[in-house]
Amino acid sequence: AQSVTQPDIHITVSEGASLELRCNYSYGATPYLFWYVQSPGQGLQLLLKYFSGDTLVQGIKGFEAEFKRSQSSFNLRKPSVHWSDAAEYFCAVGVTHSGYALNFGKGTSLLVTP
Amino acid sequence: GAVVSQHPSRVICKSGTSVKIECRSLDFQATTMFWYRQFPKKSLMLMATSNEGSKATYEQGVEKDKFLINHASLTLSTLTVTSAHPEDSSFYICSARPQGQGQSQPQHFGDGTRLSIL
Repeated sequence: AQSVTQPDIHITVSEGASLELRCNYSYGATPYLFWYVQSPGQGLQLLLKYFSGDTLVQGIKGFEAEFKRSQSSFNLRKPSVHWSDAAEYFCAVGVTHSGYALNFGKGTSLLVTP
Repeated sequence: GAVVSQHPSRVICKSGTSVKIECRSLDFQATTMFWYRQFPKKSLMLMATSNEGSKATYEQGVEKDKFLINHASLTLSTLTVTSAHPEDSSFYICSARPQGQGQSQPQHFGDGTRLSIL
């Protein structure tokens, strides 16, 4: 079954520094991959998605992610982090057996320091 | 953009009460909606797939009689937590994919319902 792993539970970066959040997937074929962001007590906002084509995808809020089949990864990046980026970030993969519901990673909590 | 409205946003009730949560797609029709549950500091876990006009498909370990799902129209799915107990306290989130869009297209999420059972 399709699954994703987010190795980092917490990450702390300084405002203005670059950011990379890791996501590894498990699936034989090309997966449908997504990154979502969740602010405390809120729902989920889609940052970006990948299902085919260009392996470097651009998202909202200055985020991008690169699909690397050789590494089974779909890491999220941002060149310069803003304090408002502090939130919980979830990587997710579409699951074929349940009508392409999403299987989420455990999330990475991002803290941004001044 | 596509909007999914979830109501109520927060509910506090006594043990033994049944609670209904609504998920509405406001500007699109959705043949399929999904219900997720999120424990504190945890990821979202798929509970069930709600199909318009047919029975919901539940994930393994989710009690069908405890979590009743009804998808009576193309814009509304409801989750009823029956005879709720403190262990049912959680954050419940629904999502929907516009009808006709491919399965690679993203779902649109509601803002979630915080359920607290006393």
